[in-house]
Amino acid sequence: NAGVTQTPKFRILKIGQSMTLQCAQDMNHNYMYWYRQDPGMGLKLIYYSVGAGITDKGEVPNGYNVSRSTTEDFPLRLELAAPSQTSVYFCASRLAGSLVDNEQFFGPGTRLTVL
Amino acid sequence: AQSVTQPDIHITVSEGASLELRCNYSYGATPYLFWYVQSPGQGLQLLLKYFSGDTLVQGIKGFEAEFKRSQSSFNLRKPSVHWSDAAEYFCAVGDILTGGGNKLTFGTGTQLKVEL
Repeated sequence: NAGVTQTPKFRILKIGQSMTLQCAQDMNHNYMYWYRQDPGMGLKLIYYSVGAGITDKGEVPNGYNVSRSTTEDFPLRLELAAPSQTSVYFCASRLAGSLVDNEQFFGPGTRLTVL
Repeated sequence: AQSVTQPDIHITVSEGASLELRCNYSYGATPYLFWYVQSPGQGLQLLLKYFSGDTLVQGIKGFEAEFKRSQSSFNLRKPSVHWSDAAEYFCAVGDILTGGGNKLTFGTGTQLKVEL
């Protein structure tokens, strides 16, 4: 199993550009999550999905959109990039059920800079 | 909403010395607690978890953590630190999503530096 994969690893965007961060998992996990990590701030939840066709907002959803057309993929879309979206983005997934019984696995991250 | 506090932003220890990283949580019921480690340029990896039972839990890489309800703490410890332990460590608490299901709420992290 490849686990949770994310592409690209690095990206520089200009203000106002758009892009999609890709996330895929091959573990047949129901739940998928997008986090952003800013220095000294820990990880903040952007969006999550409990299954194909179902998505919902997390703590910091403004400026982002997601879709979940398949169990495997959970792309994150930035429509109008802003400097405040400079961050490291992590995708994660796990099976449904208790957090204790079903470990959450993280991808390696995408480092995004908006200039 | 639940919250997690990691009061130490940076900690430096010498290789071979003992380590304790602090974590305090805010939760109304018995919490599900986790410690994750993030090596440079990597995603997060689960070190250990607690949900009930024995308050001292063992994890991977020689780490352990003790749950103390009276202090609302879940501190991470290691008797002898290795240079490869240099990383960022995150404490997290299990939380409920408004739309159903669960999520992790993370602390702000502690950066560990190991001096040789």
